[in-house]
Amino acid sequence: QKEVEQNSGPLSVPEGAIASLNCTYSDRVSQSFFWYRQYSGKSPELIMSIYSNGDKEDGRFTAQLNKASQYVSLLIRDSQPSDSATYLCAVNPGYNFNKFYFGSGTKLNVKP
Amino acid sequence: GAVVSQHPSWVICKSGTSVKIECRSLDFQATTMFWYRQFPKQSLMLMATSNEGSKATYEQGVEKDKFLINHASLTLSTLTVTSAHPEDSSFYICSATAQTGPGNTIYFGEGSWLTVV
Repeated sequence: QKEVEQNSGPLSVPEGAIASLNCTYSDRVSQSFFWYRQYSGKSPELIMSIYSNGDKEDGRFTAQLNKASQYVSLLIRDSQPSDSATYLCAVNPGYNFNKFYFGSGTKLNVKP
Repeated sequence: GAVVSQHPSWVICKSGTSVKIECRSLDFQATTMFWYRQFPKQSLMLMATSNEGSKATYEQGVEKDKFLINHASLTLSTLTVTSAHPEDSSFYICSATAQTGPGNTIYFGEGSWLTVV
């Protein structure tokens, strides 16, 4: 079992719709959770971090964390073609602040 | 957020030569940096963890004598690909951790495209 699992996609949504990206993790004691966006041919860039159960909103992005169910999700409202990218979920297990597990990423296509 | 800079952005070298890639944390001190490799349309692959002032820790299957990592200061780590071959052509990405919130956050450099001809 991988530490972090994501559906590879592609996930296709029409422009203006809500894109929902999901991630599950295996280590129950994980403390910190991150979403990164990676455009083709570029390096990942941090979108959001979340540490507590519940929702965290930043502009069109909302991260949701449920530690009991061991999943974290990212919602993108009013999706734009420029949001088309691969989204990586990352988890820090907490017992080592310099250890990060990455999912393989979900490819999102936003169609005009 | 913290800024990590990587240089060069792209490099072409001849087979058998060595090439060095630099990774700098611009506005914070990075005790720990990571080096990743990514082939087209594939996932990030962690190559090694670089700790300032000590030897790097390499992931299984990564040749430490081929991929030399030096982390001599709190703001600079270098990756040297020695005796490069065409199969080493890839996208190399460095990252560094900065303390944020209850723990650390990982920030990535821009990446370096290596083409070995």
